[in-house]
Amino acid sequence: EIILTQSPGTLSLSPGERVTLSCRASQSVSSNYLAWYQQKLGQAPRLLIYGASSRATGIPDRFSGSGSGTDFTLTISRLEPEDFAVYYCQQYSSSSYSFGQGTKLEIK
Amino acid sequence: EVQLVESGGGLVQPGRSLRLSCAASGFSFDNYAMHWVRQVPGKGLEWVSGISSNSGDIIYADSVKGRFTISRDNAKNSLYLQMNSLRPEDMALYYCVRRSDGRAFDIWGQGTLVTVSS
Repeated sequence: EIILTQSPGTLSLSPGERVTLSCRASQSVSSNYLAWYQQKLGQAPRLLIYGASSRATGIPDRFSGSGSGTDFTLTISRLEPEDFAVYYCQQYSSSSYSFGQGTKLEIK
Repeated sequence: EVQLVESGGGLVQPGRSLRLSCAASGFSFDNYAMHWVRQVPGKGLEWVSGISSNSGDIIYADSVKGRFTISRDNAKNSLYLQMNSLRPEDMALYYCVRRSDGRAFDIWGQGTLVTVSS
């Protein structure tokens, strides 16, 4: 099973700032199968990025994903108030899926 | 509107069984693989099980293998999860999710809560 480790656990930032979230895999992950989700309190997760860098339908272009192998990142170019939430990465490999433990973005 | 609605959660004693259902609408259900993902309130996400569009390919997380059974009825646009021998660690909010491009989950239900306690 591939373990995904996200860092940092919590980030305190202000609206307007740029942020980069990290997701590191215990083994190499196909870029085709790395996704990012946003979850707000009391809501189901929402798909942001799939295939490491493709934005899902309706996702603003301030969200971007990159990476390959074992290191992937999600960048939010300019934080909006609605972006403060928990972010998860997810991978698929060898008939199994796994999620990272999440990074919480909080307002400073 | 594309929608997934789960039902069947509730309070169950350890060792007992529960069957979750998920009703899909607004899309061609029989074209998509479907999965279950769970989340302990306040904690992270855990993938549970998945089934291909024609039920020919079924996979499970090691934590539920041998105890849970996923199935679907394309004529009824429905997904199911039969959960047997439930344990306290199975207590979570269970989401029905649609698998899309890149093996990502693009549509999520609102979840149904399973509580395992004596």
